Amino acid sequence: AQSVTQLDSQVPVFEEAPVELRCNYSSSVSVYLFWYVQYPNQGLQLLLKYLSGSTLVKGINGFEAEFNKSQTSFHLRKPSVHISDTAEYFCAVRASYDKVIFGPGTSLSVIP
Amino acid sequence: GAVVSQHPSRVICKSGTSVKIECRSLDFQATTMFWYRQFPKQSLMLMATSNEGSKATYEQGVEKDKFLINHASLTLSTLTVTSAHPEDSSFYICSASDSHYEQYFGPGTRLTVT
Repeated sequence: AQSVTQLDSQVPVFEEAPVELRCNYSSSVSVYLFWYVQYPNQGLQLLLKYLSGSTLVKGINGFEAEFNKSQTSFHLRKPSVHISDTAEYFCAVRASYDKVIFGPGTSLSVIP
Repeated sequence: GAVVSQHPSRVICKSGTSVKIECRSLDFQATTMFWYRQFPKQSLMLMATSNEGSKATYEQGVEKDKFLINHASLTLSTLTVTSAHPEDSSFYICSASDSHYEQYFGPGTRLTVT
């Protein structure tokens, strides 16, 4: 079985500052990794995904994430955040043909 | 890109009644569909997995007689909440998959039971 840990439940950051949202996972098999964003009262939006190949993945809205197999991590980063990035962020894993397992989420608050 | 729709987007029903939520894959055939529930300020929790033409597989702790799932075709799955109670009020999200790695999520349905 797979599990996902997001170490920070809340992350406040000033506008235009960099941010890193941490994600660690455990799995006995190879998994695919995802980051989703959820704005208040809305559904999920896929930010980026790691399937294979280059460990640095670039996504939408200036976000990127790096897959580190040895540390079983998939941290999300953005060099300069905007007010509009305020949202809930979910890290997720999926084994082949299996269900998606979500982490508990990190609430990112961008302070003007 | 692949699109998944849900209907209705919001529904309010009285306690004791049943409500049906539809999940459709609009431009692809979904071999597997998943139903998630999300309570306020919490993450998504998987309720069940359904394959077309087969009985759904429910996660531990989910009442299969209360949350009826039907996956009658490769583009449609339905979730029926039977005898709904206020504690069933939640955000229900479906997803559909046509491959071993990709899942596409619907926009969600907000259920309020009064």
